[in-house]
Amino acid sequence: GNSVTQMEGPVTLSEEAFLTINCTYTATGYPSLFWYVQYPGEGLQLLLKATKADDKGSNKGFEATYRKETTSFHLEKGSVQVSDSAVYFCALSVVHTGNQFYFGTGTSLTVIP
Amino acid sequence: DTEVTQTPKHLVMGMTNKKSLKCEQHMGHRAMYWYKQKAKKPPELMFVYSYEKLSINESVPSRFSPECPNSSLLNLHLHALQPEDSALYLCASSQSWGGSSGYTFGSGTRLTVV
Repeated sequence: GNSVTQMEGPVTLSEEAFLTINCTYTATGYPSLFWYVQYPGEGLQLLLKATKADDKGSNKGFEATYRKETTSFHLEKGSVQVSDSAVYFCALSVVHTGNQFYFGTGTSLTVIP
Repeated sequence: DTEVTQTPKHLVMGMTNKKSLKCEQHMGHRAMYWYKQKAKKPPELMFVYSYEKLSINESVPSRFSPECPNSSLLNLHLHALQPEDSALYLCASSQSWGGSSGYTFGSGTRLTVV
């Protein structure tokens, strides 16, 4: 079946620290992979995506590489800011099944000054 | 326009009330979705509309009634809700069902049932 396993949180980092949030997946077919961010009191925003193996998605200093060999899509940022404090969701969508997104459980990130 | 607009942002309703949540997008997306999100949890799919037709109902209780009047609008009619239905209700859209291009989410309606 299809599923996403995401690193447990919460994660607390100091400003300018390096961030990694792990995400692995299982999928039938050919998944597209996504990271969504949810700031307090808001909806989900698409942060980045990758639609095929070895693609790297990037946005706002965040990066994630679609690794088919390890079925992973880890989120990284070299230097986090207080404004990055949010919940991050890894998700996959399997093309051609007409199916919905499969979300990970979410990882709460708090960045302290 | 690259947004999904949801109204109202907050709603408090009694268990005997009838209310509606509204969602609108003008991106030409042909698939629209309702999700329910409880605190500290990922969104849970409720309904999928594809080309204005209901394609998925994830065994949602009948006190939630979706409606898609046209390709830009999605409503969720609420009646006789329970306190446990209190949650953030998110609308999303995508170019087509399956969402390989990603979903665009609205900012949600925070519903409290008293």
